[in-house]
Amino acid sequence: AQRVTQPEKLLSVFKGAPVELKCNYSYSGSPELFWYVQYSRQRLQLLLRHISRESIKGFTADLNKGETSFHLKKPFAQEEDSAMYYCALMDSNYQLIWGAGTKLIIKP
Amino acid sequence: ETGVTQTPRHLVMGMTNKKSLKCEQHLGHNAMYWYKQSAKKPLELMFVYSLEERVENNSVPSRFSPECPNSSHLFLHLHTLQPEDSALYLCASSQDRASNTGELFFGEGSRLTVL
Repeated sequence: AQRVTQPEKLLSVFKGAPVELKCNYSYSGSPELFWYVQYSRQRLQLLLRHISRESIKGFTADLNKGETSFHLKKPFAQEEDSAMYYCALMDSNYQLIWGAGTKLIIKP
Repeated sequence: ETGVTQTPRHLVMGMTNKKSLKCEQHLGHNAMYWYKQSAKKPLELMFVYSLEERVENNSVPSRFSPECPNSSHLFLHLHTLQPEDSALYLCASSQDRASNTGELFFGEGSRLTVL
């Protein structure tokens, strides 16, 4: 079955500390994976996609096919990173399969 | 106005009411989507339209009826809903449905409460 799992509903870290938001997937084909973010009172928006291999707002995510993971990382968290983060997988029908989301709180 | 706009932002309705949610996009996109977002659950895709033609209906109950009169507008008609249908309904658009960019542009959502 195709599935995206974000095991942490809530993650709280101090400003300046490293952040890692976990995402695991189950998919039989070659996965296309994405991270979306929703800041408070803003709409859901794309943060990054693994095929771009880019760093956005200091965040990176590496696809690990062996561990079927796509964890989102940032070395030094900032208060403005507080948001809901969603991991998503694109299936062969170009539909996004979503994780349940992780709420990230950055403490001052 | 640019982007994806949804109205109303909040809606309270009884189980016997008929109401509609509206979505409008000014991005020139060809695909539009309705998602249901319930607390602590993944986004659930409800309907997909590509070039005004419905291409996906993920086993959604018939009390939800979509309409896409043109590529810029999408409606979700609601009739005899149940309290468990209370959720945030998100509209999104993308350049094309069959695209591997994976980038959806979302509206701010319509918060629906069914009494």
